[in-house]
Amino acid sequence: KAGVTQTPRYLIKTRGQQVTLSCSPISGHRSVSWYQQTPGQGLQFLFEYFSETQRNKGNFPGRFSGRQFSNSRSEMNVSTLELGDSALYLCASQTSGSGNEQFFGPGTRLTVL
Amino acid sequence: AQRVTQPEKLLSVFKGAPVELKCNYSYSGSPELFWYVQYSRQRLQLLLRHISRESIKGFTADLNKGETSFHLKKPFAQEEDSAMYYCALRLGSSNTGKLIFGQGTTLQVKP
Repeated sequence: KAGVTQTPRYLIKTRGQQVTLSCSPISGHRSVSWYQQTPGQGLQFLFEYFSETQRNKGNFPGRFSGRQFSNSRSEMNVSTLELGDSALYLCASQTSGSGNEQFFGPGTRLTVL
Repeated sequence: AQRVTQPEKLLSVFKGAPVELKCNYSYSGSPELFWYVQYSRQRLQLLLRHISRESIKGFTADLNKGETSFHLKKPFAQEEDSAMYYCALRLGSSNTGKLIFGQGTTLQVKP
């Protein structure tokens, strides 16, 4: 099985712009979660989508949003970028059912100038 | 509030020495805990989970609800164990994808 893929791998934007990141889960996985990883804050949960619905949400401002498509692919969008949004954004997919493992993608490195 | 604490940012040991990576959690519900590992230039991957009670690559971790801890142990460290280790707590029901991570501990195993 192919692993979780994320595109693009690297992105450079300027303050005020918006950005869309994409995540393709492992085939058959219906849950996709997004995390922000920074040196100062570590790994922080953004949100989780399951069957095209947001199932869980972290403590991030409304500038961070996401969606999931019928094929389970997910996108996250950050509007009005700030310097502090520079981070590695990871997505993870898992099957439905209890106790299942999350499989992580390689991440998208976003730099905001 | 739910929290996962890994008190050590860096743990440096010699090859063959025992290793213990500490993890403490704060959670009012029934905890489900994991250890994830990230080797250099590789993606984050699951090492082990407490419900499995298994040993992976010689590592074990026992959930101690009284001390709210889930420390990762290995009796004899190998150089290939050098990596970043994250303790994580699953929030909510057991099929949810919401994980709270600790800050991570870098394990450095010296030859």
